Amino acid sequence: GESVGLHLPTLSVQEGDNSIINCAYSNSASDYFIWYKQESGKGPQFIIDIRSNMDKRQGQRVTVLLNKTVKHLSLQIAATQPGDSAVYFCAEKYNNNDMRFGAGTRLTVKP
Amino acid sequence: SQTIHQWPATLVQPVGSPLSLECTVEGTSNPNLYWYRQAAGRGLQLLFYSVGIGQISSEVPQNLSASRPQDRQFILSSKKLLLSDSGFYLCAWSVYTGSNEKLFFGSGTQLSVL
Repeated sequence: GESVGLHLPTLSVQEGDNSIINCAYSNSASDYFIWYKQESGKGPQFIIDIRSNMDKRQGQRVTVLLNKTVKHLSLQIAATQPGDSAVYFCAEKYNNNDMRFGAGTRLTVKP
Repeated sequence: SQTIHQWPATLVQPVGSPLSLECTVEGTSNPNLYWYRQAAGRGLQLLFYSVGIGQISSEVPQNLSASRPQDRQFILSSKKLLLSDSGFYLCAWSVYTGSNEKLFFGSGTQLSVL
């Protein structure tokens, strides 16, 4: 069936480096995507979203890139900080169906 | 501003006991409400969603049920818990804005069934 997945389950980066978290989706009809950050023992927090009519969107220290040709979504975090350590989920939505989440990538920032 | 409250934060229950988790949303009207479950180290599985009072849709057959007695209240229940019901339960709300629907999550309930 249709699914949202992540290329890497874990990612370790040095403090100050840039992080890139990847996500693959299989439903070409998906038209809305969100990245969430989940710290240990807490609920996911909205980070940034993008619609399928865009290929790039920037926030504060974060950028989401969407490549519809290969059905790929990525989250770039600039100058990664220890507070960025968390699990990051991508989610997709199409039409009025419910949002589907990937399994998540655990980002660890080394001091 | 909108806030979502979910309680309790942690819960340890014996097998066969009942369950009631409550979620309330403030600062918005007629939200869509959701219950998700997250197994350790896994993604989010949608359990129930509601678009209005008394309207509940179930995504997967299971030992759980949901109710929405008031516009901003969503309750997750079970008559008899199973070991497999252990997990991190998340309530979420959204307000459908065009074709962009953002989910906002509560702080979660860690349920351990022993």
